[in-house]
Amino acid sequence: SQKIEQNSEALNIQEGKTATLTCNYTNYSPAYLQWYRQDPGRGPVFLLLIRENEKEKRKERLKVTFDTTLKQSLFHITASQPADSATYLCALDGVDSSYKLIFGSGTRLLVRP
Amino acid sequence: DTGVSQDPRHKITKRGQNVTFRCDPISEHNRLYWYRQTLGQGPEFLTYFQNEAQLEKSRLLSDRFSAERPKGSFSTLEIQRTEQGDSAMYLCASARGTGLEKLFFGSGTQLSVL
Repeated sequence: SQKIEQNSEALNIQEGKTATLTCNYTNYSPAYLQWYRQDPGRGPVFLLLIRENEKEKRKERLKVTFDTTLKQSLFHITASQPADSATYLCALDGVDSSYKLIFGSGTRLLVRP
Repeated sequence: DTGVSQDPRHKITKRGQNVTFRCDPISEHNRLYWYRQTLGQGPEFLTYFQNEAQLEKSRLLSDRFSAERPKGSFSTLEIQRTEQGDSAMYLCASARGTGLEKLFFGSGTQLSVL
């Protein structure tokens, strides 16, 4: 069955540095991948979507890459700020349904001032 | 967009009781999803609707869970004979329903089964 892996350990970085989060998947080839941000006690908020035929996508300080050979996506936040502290989730379309999103367990990012 | 609304925000119940949650999606969104999330985990897919039709239901979902979306607008999720293992955040999300697209999530209903 499809499997999505995100680093379960929190990423702790200094303000102003670039945060890089990893999402690995196995056992299938998704048509697209999405990244969401989730704050405690709140629902996830959409950040970026990247399709299988796209290598990279940018939005302001955010950048996502999608390597279908490595089966990996990298999510970068440049010039990180304490307000970026949150849990970041990657999500892929289901192997049997493009309209069903399957989420990873998320990586918590802590940005120190 | 007024956002996805979920009610109640918190629910405490005793084991064996039935509970029902409501979700109001963004108006004109055709697709509606239910997810469940426990601490330290990502949202787990439960079911989704295209308009009023329930198109998919997780194989992991017990038959104690049922969801409806009458008239293709709001949705309800009912859990019968609750168990302590049902304690979780229940998230609702909606999407326009025109293809590959982002989900808009509500703030969730936190269920605690004592």
